[in-house]
Amino acid sequence: GIQVEQSPPDLILQEGANSTLRCNFSDSVNNLQWFHQNPWGQLINLFYIPSGTKQNGRLSATTVATERYSLLYISSSQTTDSGVYFCAVKNYGGATNKLIFGTGTLLAVQP
Amino acid sequence: SQTIHQWPATLVQPVGSPLSLECTVEGTSNPNLYWYRQAAGRGLQLLFYSVGIGQISSEVPQNLSASRPQDRQFILSSKKLLLSDSGFYLCAWTLGVNTEAFFGQGTRLTVV
Repeated sequence: GIQVEQSPPDLILQEGANSTLRCNFSDSVNNLQWFHQNPWGQLINLFYIPSGTKQNGRLSATTVATERYSLLYISSSQTTDSGVYFCAVKNYGGATNKLIFGTGTLLAVQP
Repeated sequence: SQTIHQWPATLVQPVGSPLSLECTVEGTSNPNLYWYRQAAGRGLQLLFYSVGIGQISSEVPQNLSASRPQDRQFILSSKKLLLSDSGFYLCAWTLGVNTEAFFGQGTRLTVV
């Protein structure tokens, strides 16, 4: 099945710093989402971005489907950005209803 | 608007006891439904998904089963819990292949 790897696995930032999180996938996808898991475990939808670029406030995301990767940019980080960031994909041409998660990036933003 | 409900929020069960976790979606019809488990650490493992009533796809052979008795209801069950069944269980829904998925609040299960 499709493999979804995220990097870095862990990231520590000072408040106000910028960061880039990466999601690599091993096969073609027709669906890609970014989530933020808060300290209570809730998964918050950040972006639905199977291709192209989107921005929402301090966050933006870019997916280059032909090269099989997606990037999540966090600018001017805040302590509330801490948590785990996941990308999740659906495999084009495979069992297309399966939503497969990446390995996650644990982000800690220090004041 | 659509909402997803998952309960209970936390559960402590003894080894060997049965389990039933319920997930319901409101405000839509014929959703795709998913059960995930997040063990210690942070990976989300897909356990089951369903594209319609009575249609269940199992991803990982294990001590759990799933059922979809109604269009917007998805149930995760076990006849006898194991210690290894402990974890954070999340239910999700989506309307199809090229649509966004949304998650419930999760159930934190501790088997003692």
